[in-house]
Amino acid sequence: QQQVKQSPQSLIVQKGGISIINCAYENTAFDYFPWYQQFPGKGPALLIAIRPDVSEKKEGRFTISFNKSAKQFSLHIMDSQPGDSATYFCAATRGFGNQFYFGTGTSLTVIP
Amino acid sequence: DTAVSQTPKYLVTQMGNDKSIKCEQNLGHDTMYWYKQDSKKFLKIMFSYNNKELIINETVPNRFSPKSPDKAHLNLHINSLELGDSAVYFCASTQGKETQYFGPGTRLLVL
Repeated sequence: QQQVKQSPQSLIVQKGGISIINCAYENTAFDYFPWYQQFPGKGPALLIAIRPDVSEKKEGRFTISFNKSAKQFSLHIMDSQPGDSATYFCAATRGFGNQFYFGTGTSLTVIP
Repeated sequence: DTAVSQTPKYLVTQMGNDKSIKCEQNLGHDTMYWYKQDSKKFLKIMFSYNNKELIINETVPNRFSPKSPDKAHLNLHINSLELGDSAVYFCASTQGKETQYFGPGTRLLVL
């Protein structure tokens, strides 16, 4: 059973546009929601993360919006650049052992 | 300095062979993981160790056996390799609920 559902599977955006990736979860015990960025041939790397006590977190062009009641969170990439082309994973975690539940990934392509 | 390192980076082998992948982290983290990433990029957790103790053991064939000699190392041994084992294997580490740091991956191809 997929604990974190992610959409879309792929996304093509024009340079300068806004990229939006959505995730949903069921387990209300999750209390840390990171987003990872993975370039081809590399391991995933933390991009930005949020805890459920805030509704939004912004770092540069990257913003997480968090809706606790809907159990949804999303990544917005403003002014998307070709260098943002990568696979993005949302994740959620809780508790001892810190198992990270990953979404299925979104392949983002930013067209010049 | 590399935070999480894996060796080898590439591994090409024949079906039926036994192989090992090594992982080391120099971050002082307590928890380490092994993930399998298939051709569709899906990240599937396989194992997790906390202070050398196995705490997550997902549904993985028992041909896969993790070993943690100390909290900085988590190795993965695979017996009787099958075609379906071809994937990228990532090691990761974390401290508490903070960032999970991934290694560069080991690309395994079973022929």
